Amino acid sequence: GAGVSQSPSNKVTEKGKDVELRCDPISGHTALYWYRQRLGQGLEFLIYFQGNSAPDKSGLPSDRFSAERTGESVSTLTIQRTQQEDSAVYLCASSPPGGTYEQYFGPGTRLTVT
Amino acid sequence: AQSVAQPEDQVNVAEGNPLTVKCTYSVSGNPYLFWYVQYPNRGLQFLLKYITGDNLVKGSYGFEAEFNKSQTSFHLKKPSALVSDSALYFCAVRDPTGTASKLTFGTGTRLQVTL
Repeated sequence: GAGVSQSPSNKVTEKGKDVELRCDPISGHTALYWYRQRLGQGLEFLIYFQGNSAPDKSGLPSDRFSAERTGESVSTLTIQRTQQEDSAVYLCASSPPGGTYEQYFGPGTRLTVT
Repeated sequence: AQSVAQPEDQVNVAEGNPLTVKCTYSVSGNPYLFWYVQYPNRGLQFLLKYITGDNLVKGSYGFEAEFNKSQTSFHLKKPSALVSDSALYFCAVRDPTGTASKLTFGTGTRLQVTL
C-alpha cells in the first residue's frame, strides 16, 4: 500500500519567508510525528499528534514553528520568518494504532533557507 | 530523559564478513528499542524492534539485534554483509513510562561494505 508521502520534496526559500510543509500519513495511522534532521546529525523530535490533537509539542524549537493536523490525515508544519539555521530535512512519520510502536517515515522535505 | 549513543561514526567491513553496529541507551523504565536504515536521498526504513520477550530480535534483510539489559545495549548484527547494506543506520529508543510516544534517535552510524 501507499507509504507516508511528503511535499514538496525540496524547498528553497529566502530568509524571512514563511514555508508550509505537508505530510500525508499512511491511511489508518492515528499517530503522526515530525522530526528534523540537520546535515550529518540524527533526528530531532519536533511534535507528535494523536488524531488531531498534539499532546507533545516539546520539540518545537521556537514559536516560529507550528503544526496542525486535520482529523487523522494530513498534517502541515509551518515555519514563519525562516532563518538559515532552519535549513534541514524535515521528516514525517506515522504509526498505526494498537501499540506496535514502530514509526513509518516519509522521504522528507529538504528545506534550504538562503 | 531517554538517550541513545552510537559510539561509531562509521563502520567498515568487507563483503561476506559479519558486521556489528553498536548502540547503547538510557531510559528510566524498560526500553522499547528500534533500528532504522537510511539510504541516500531516502527516508528512514524500519528494520527491527525489541519490545519484550526474546533478547535476540530478527528483522528485515537478514539483520538481527541483541538486547542486553545489563549492558544497556542493543547492537545490530548481520552474519554476512553485502555491499548493498552500505547505508546510514540509526538506533532509537522509546521510554514506555513517558507520556510522549516520541522516539529518541542516536546520531547514526555509517556502514560501508566493500568488495
